[in-house]
Amino acid sequence: EIVMTQSPATLSVSPGERVTLSCRASQSVRIRVAWYQQKPGQAPRLLIYGASTRATGIPARFSGTGSGTEFTLTISSLQSEDFAVYFCQQYNNNWPPWTFGQGTRVEIK
Amino acid sequence: QVHLVQSGAEVKKPGASVKVSCKTSGYTFTSYPMHWVRQAPGERLEWMGSISPDNGNTEHAQKFQARVTITRDISANTAYMELSSLRSEDTALYFCATQAGSIFFWGQGTLVTVSS
Repeated sequence: EIVMTQSPATLSVSPGERVTLSCRASQSVRIRVAWYQQKPGQAPRLLIYGASTRATGIPARFSGTGSGTEFTLTISSLQSEDFAVYFCQQYNNNWPPWTFGQGTRVEIK
Repeated sequence: QVHLVQSGAEVKKPGASVKVSCKTSGYTFTSYPMHWVRQAPGERLEWMGSISPDNGNTEHAQKFQARVTITRDISANTAYMELSSLRSEDTALYFCATQAGSIFFWGQGTLVTVSS
């Protein structure tokens, strides 16, 4: 099983700050990584797929980079609605087909 | 526009079974596998299994192999996930999700609470 490890667990930031979240895969997943935003009790909201492609309707302040085992989600200028949990997912046709990081909580400083 | 709409919250006693539905619209139901994922409190998302709606073939995570049944009704564009022999550790938010290429669509989630 491919294990996805995110860091840090929690990030305390002020609105307007730049935020960088990391996700590491235990083996190469090429660029088959998605990033999600999740708020309590809600479904995950797809932000990025293919490691760097923004999903439909996602603001340009969200960007993703990486390939292989190291991936990054950057929020260029944090807005109030961006305080949430972010997690990564790999879908590289291994078994099981999908595994997820444990999430990074972005909270108000 | 793709929509996945799940059935409502359930409260079950230990040992019981629960069946969650996922009604789809906005795409051809048989085109993409439907996956089921759960999220226990404070835990990461966990893939449970999937079904290929066109032929009914299923795959399951080994952890759930003996207890999960995934089915579909093509005429209703709906997938189902049934989990049996429920225990308190099965209390979680259950999601259906499908993958069209590299784009993922999720249901809103169904909270299943297992409590005596």
